[in-house]
Amino acid sequence: DTGVSQDPRHKITKRGQNVTFRCDPISEHNRLYWYRQTLGQGPEFLTYFQNEAQLEKSRLLSDRFSAERPKGSFSTLEIQRTEQGDSAMYLCASSLGQGGRNQPQHFGDGTRLSIL
Amino acid sequence: DAKTTQPPSMDCAEGRAANLPCNHSTISGNEYVYWYRQIHSQGPQYIIHGLKNNETNEMASLIITEDRKSSTLILPHATLRDTAVYYCIAKRGETSGSRLTFGEGTQLTVNP
Repeated sequence: DTGVSQDPRHKITKRGQNVTFRCDPISEHNRLYWYRQTLGQGPEFLTYFQNEAQLEKSRLLSDRFSAERPKGSFSTLEIQRTEQGDSAMYLCASSLGQGGRNQPQHFGDGTRLSIL
Repeated sequence: DAKTTQPPSMDCAEGRAANLPCNHSTISGNEYVYWYRQIHSQGPQYIIHGLKNNETNEMASLIITEDRKSSTLILPHATLRDTAVYYCIAKRGETSGSRLTFGEGTQLTVNP
């Protein structure tokens, strides 16, 4: 069990640029979540996939944000035309949902995005 | 999901038990109590969860009151590595995936 892996760990970019983050969940986990965390706050939910289907999106996920999970394994989160307010830690989590129980979500160590 | 309330900070001496309280007075019957912690610059780490019975694992114990309106996370022998922000979350434990709603948590500082 290698845990949830996120890449890159840090990203610095200029305002207006596009950025893409990758998340590799724990193998066989069918559910994948993206969260965002700003300094001093708890993580905030962005979106959730079950297999390749995106089942829920937060109002925080503006039209500049898009997430995909094309084969039901890894996921990408893209931010277009980045703004200063996008500076945050972007966290990915995965869980195994089967039968009548929803297993706990396990988090990666995040991608820290800094907008210059 | 029910709102949870935690003290903003707590201190504990190394080797002593750390007891972290959480109020969730509006919790509904199908909501579980989850505890996560977050060490600086890392992602949240799952600790334990429960519905109404007390739970124990290798990391901690979770004590839920009979009316389910509050709970306590117990770290039996706190170490310096337990210094972290601890989050108490009420979450529906249903078949569909659902979000975790984090509050501001409790900053636990374990002192030598």
